[in-house]
Amino acid sequence: GIQVEQSPPDLILQEGANSTLRCNFSDSVNNLQWFHQNPWGQLINLFYIPSGTKQNGRLSATTVATERYSLSYISSSQTTDSGVYFCAVELGGGQFYFGTGTSLTVIP
Amino acid sequence: EPEVTQTPSHQVTQMGQEVILRCVPISNHLYFYWYRQILGQKVEFLVSFYNNEISEKSEIFDDQFSVERPDGSNFTLKIRSTKLEDSAMYFCASSPGGGGHYGYTFGSGTRLTVV
Repeated sequence: GIQVEQSPPDLILQEGANSTLRCNFSDSVNNLQWFHQNPWGQLINLFYIPSGTKQNGRLSATTVATERYSLSYISSSQTTDSGVYFCAVELGGGQFYFGTGTSLTVIP
Repeated sequence: EPEVTQTPSHQVTQMGQEVILRCVPISNHLYFYWYRQILGQKVEFLVSFYNNEISEKSEIFDDQFSVERPDGSNFTLKIRSTKLEDSAMYFCASSPGGGGHYGYTFGSGTRLTVV
């Protein structure tokens, strides 16, 4: 099956710092999405980004489908950005394969 | 922005009982999904549903589970005879189309605790 690898597995940032999260996948995909899981376990949709670049406030993401990776950027991080960031890819039929996530802790 | 709504946010049930997790997908979406995340593990696909029938299901989705769209707005996951290992976060998702090239919207989840 498809492999979805995220790095780094853990990240600790000082408030105000920037970060880059990476997602590598092993096969061509129809769809790629980024999610933030907050400390209460809730899953928050961040980006639908099968290719190209998108920005939403302090967050942005880029997917280079031909090279099978996606990057998510957080600028000027805040404590509320803490949680786990998941990348998920979809091959077809709506079945997503999730990565193991990057656990982000932003300290004041 | 439209949301997928899941209720309740947290449900506690006794082992052996039946539970129904509820989801209200985005109104013009046609494809519906359930996912599960056991604590500390990956989010895993359970089932996809379209046109009032199951499109795909994973090996996790055995006879203990069933899904239903009882009316035009709700999408439910029923778990019969719950076991301790069914404790997990359950996420509902919907999309306007299937087969990729569409954004999928996930709900914030229901935490199921089986005691």
